[in-house]
Amino acid sequence: GAVVSQHPSWVICKSGTSVKIECRSLDFQATTMFWYRQFPKQSLMLMATSNEGSKATYEQGVEKDKFLINHASLTLSTLTVTSAHPEDSSFYICSAREGGSDYNEQFFGPGTRLTVL
Amino acid sequence: GQNIDQPTEMTATEGAIVQINCTYQTSGFNGLFWYQQHAGEAPTFLSYNVLDGLEEKGRFSSFLSRSKGYSYLLLKELQMKDSASYLCAVMDSNYQLIWGAGTKLIIKP
Repeated sequence: GAVVSQHPSWVICKSGTSVKIECRSLDFQATTMFWYRQFPKQSLMLMATSNEGSKATYEQGVEKDKFLINHASLTLSTLTVTSAHPEDSSFYICSAREGGSDYNEQFFGPGTRLTVL
Repeated sequence: GQNIDQPTEMTATEGAIVQINCTYQTSGFNGLFWYQQHAGEAPTFLSYNVLDGLEEKGRFSSFLSRSKGYSYLLLKELQMKDSASYLCAVMDSNYQLIWGAGTKLIIKP
């Protein structure tokens, strides 16, 4: 199957700093990438959807100025958590979808665990 | 509104069979996915149903009834490694995945 990587796998940062998470599709072109957040014992929460070359579409309640998403190429999307606070500590997962696939399956990255002190 | 319902937690015995149900109400339907997620890891794809009926893949099978808004994931010959959360997700008319909260499956020896 298609492979999606995320970097870093985990990060610890101080409150007020910014953290960038990269999501890459390694063996296919991802026309659409998704960013999810998952708190312990809860399901995935979609934060935003990004199409290559376009501005991301954010879900209701997600601050676009705080969670900056850039999808500059068909293989790379980045999520920057600006001025992170302890409540932003979570498991962030990206997924990618290849345009034209039969059933538009999303391929998930391994996730990034963010801890804000 | 859109809604996916699945049990919060289930317990089963190693070697047995377990069925995890999922009911949904969504705006449009472009298929139903089942994913497996181990603690601390990202979800991995298990199955996709878009037509009514049963799809079998090894020890795992998935069933769909669109008229009833219902699906189930059937796991046979349970192994300890099957202990995980199982997520039901429906793709709506906008090709967005609507996620259930997941069913935590506990396998006992």
